[in-house]
Formats: sequence, C-alpha cells, structure tokens
Amino acid sequence: KAGVTQTPRYLIKTRGQQVTLSCSPISGHRSVSWYQQTPGQGLQFLFEYFSETQRNKGNFPGRFSGRQFSNSRSEMNVSTLELGDSALYLCASSSTSDTGELFFGEGSRLTVL
Amino acid sequence: AQSVTQLDSHVSVSEGTPVLLRCNYSSSYSPSLFWYVQHPNKGLQLLLKYTSAATLVKGINGFEAEFKKSETSFHLTKPSAHMSDAAEYFCVVGAYNNNDMRFGAGTRLTVKP
Repeated sequence: KAGVTQTPRYLIKTRGQQVTLSCSPISGHRSVSWYQQTPGQGLQFLFEYFSETQRNKGNFPGRFSGRQFSNSRSEMNVSTLELGDSALYLCASSSTSDTGELFFGEGSRLTVL
Repeated sequence: AQSVTQLDSHVSVSEGTPVLLRCNYSSSYSPSLFWYVQHPNKGLQLLLKYTSAATLVKGINGFEAEFKKSETSFHLTKPSAHMSDAAEYFCVVGAYNNNDMRFGAGTRLTVKP
C-alpha cells in the first residue's frame, strides 16, 4: 500500500509569510505526528493528532499549528515565518495498535529567506 | 518521562568491519525502543523495534540490537558494514500505547572503502 505522502517536497518563503504543509498517512492509520528536523536541534516533536484531536504537543510557539481531517489527512501551518523555521518537516503515521512504530514521509523542506 | 542518549554523534568504520552504535535510555514505563535510519534527504525508516518480547531484536539489512535493562542500553550492531549503511541513525524511546516518542540526537555512520 502507499506510504506517507507529504506535499510540497520543497518550498521557499520569506519572513513574515505563512505556510501550510500537507500529509496523507498510510491508509488505515489514524495517528499523524509532525516533527521538525534541523542540523542544530535535531528531530523535535511538534504535535500528534489522533482521530481529528490533538493528543500530544511539543514545545513550540503558537505560530505552529495543525489539524487533522476525518480522512486522517493532516495539515500543519506556520504563521509569521522566521528564518529559524527553515527546516525539514517530517510527518509520520501510525496505526491504532499503538505499538509506537512510526512510518515517515520524505518530508517537506522549508527555506525561509 | 522518557529520553534517549546516543553516545556517539559520529562513527566511522571500514567496509566489512563491525558496526556498533550506542544508545542509553531512560523511561518511567516499560519502554518500547526503536532504531530508525535516515539516508540523505529522505524520511526515516524503521530498522528494528523492541516491545518487551525477546531482548535480542533482529532488524532489516543485517542489523540487530540487544535490550539490556540492567544497563538501560539498546545498542545497535551489524557484523559487517556495507557502503550503503552510511546514513544517520536514531535511537527512539516510546511508551507502549503512547505515541509520545523521544528521539536521540542521532549518530552519523560513515563507511570507508
């Protein structure tokens, strides 16, 4: 079956703009998690959604938000972009068995100029 | 709370020699432990997972890891490195039935010809 799909794969924005990233999980997976990956901070957990509800949230400012739709697809939004938001944003889905195994997409690489 | 510490940020081996990537964990729960691999500009791929079954876990591509509760360790090994093993490796801890996954800082594996 198809893996986790993230769009767009690459994007360039300027400071102050906002961006929306999309993630389509593996069919049947109800949990979607988002991570930010940067060379300096490594992989940092943003938030996790399960059945349209935010279940966990990392330590990021309110400019970072997300949502999940009834078909389990998820979007994350970053408003008022800053240079430091440049990163690879990874989405991961997991099944309801909750063994914790995450299936990752290839990421959306955001560059903020 | 749970966390992982990857003891080496960079490991360099010669092709055909053994690989050892070290990981120590801390968890208030009976942990689930994972190793993921990330090749350049790609998402993360699960190598193997431990979920309280056998303490020696075999994964893909000849990798294995041993869960040692007394040492709170979950080191990743491979008997013979291949050039294609060059990548970033992440040790991850999560509580069973909880998608609050904590990633280590990563170990970059270099394989010399």
